[in-house]
Amino acid sequence: AQSVAQPEDQVNVAEGNPLTVKCTYSVSGNPYLFWYVQYPNRGLQFLLKYITGDNLVKGSYGFEAEFNKSQTSFHLKKPSALVSDSALYFCAVRFRSASKIIFGSGTRLSIRP
Amino acid sequence: EAQVTQNPRYLITVTGKKLTVTCSQNMNHEYMSWYRQDPGLGLRQIYYSMNVEVTDKGDVPEGYKVSRKEKRNFPLILESPSPNQTSLYFCASSLGQGAVSGRSRAEQYFGPGTRLTVT
Repeated sequence: AQSVAQPEDQVNVAEGNPLTVKCTYSVSGNPYLFWYVQYPNRGLQFLLKYITGDNLVKGSYGFEAEFNKSQTSFHLKKPSALVSDSALYFCAVRFRSASKIIFGSGTRLSIRP
Repeated sequence: EAQVTQNPRYLITVTGKKLTVTCSQNMNHEYMSWYRQDPGLGLRQIYYSMNVEVTDKGDVPEGYKVSRKEKRNFPLILESPSPNQTSLYFCASSLGQGAVSGRSRAEQYFGPGTRLTVT
């Protein structure tokens, strides 16, 4: 079955430290890959995407993500975490040949001062 | 302002009473989709639409209906709601598949959500 896995329900990081939120996928073909962020009582906001080209993509709020085709991973990273980064993060894949979209279960990121 | 709007934002209803959640976008997007968000399950796609009069099932379509008679609107219909449909619902839209001149059109814009409780 095609799926997206976010193996950590919660990630805790001290402010100023680097952060990584993990995402792996198991789908056929070469899907588009996305990260979205959800702040409390809000809808999801687009952060960044990988479509083709450079494996390191940069997005909003200083976030970046590294695509690794051999490991089918798309981990979200930030060099220096801020308390305001605390939110729920979702990885998603969108199939190139169809319009179906699959989301991971989400990872709650908590940045302590 | 470019946006996706949903109404109502909060709804409490009883089992079996038909309801409709509206979704509208003002970005001329071809693609629209409905999701439900449940704790520990992330977002699951209910239905999506590639364009007017073109809809298809997502992963969890049972108990839901949709229609796409106009490009901007994509209502979600629960003909006979049940308590297991209590959830947070999101509508989203994006440009269609494919890329034009190197510009991908695939990221989605989400509405603010509708919290539905069925008793």
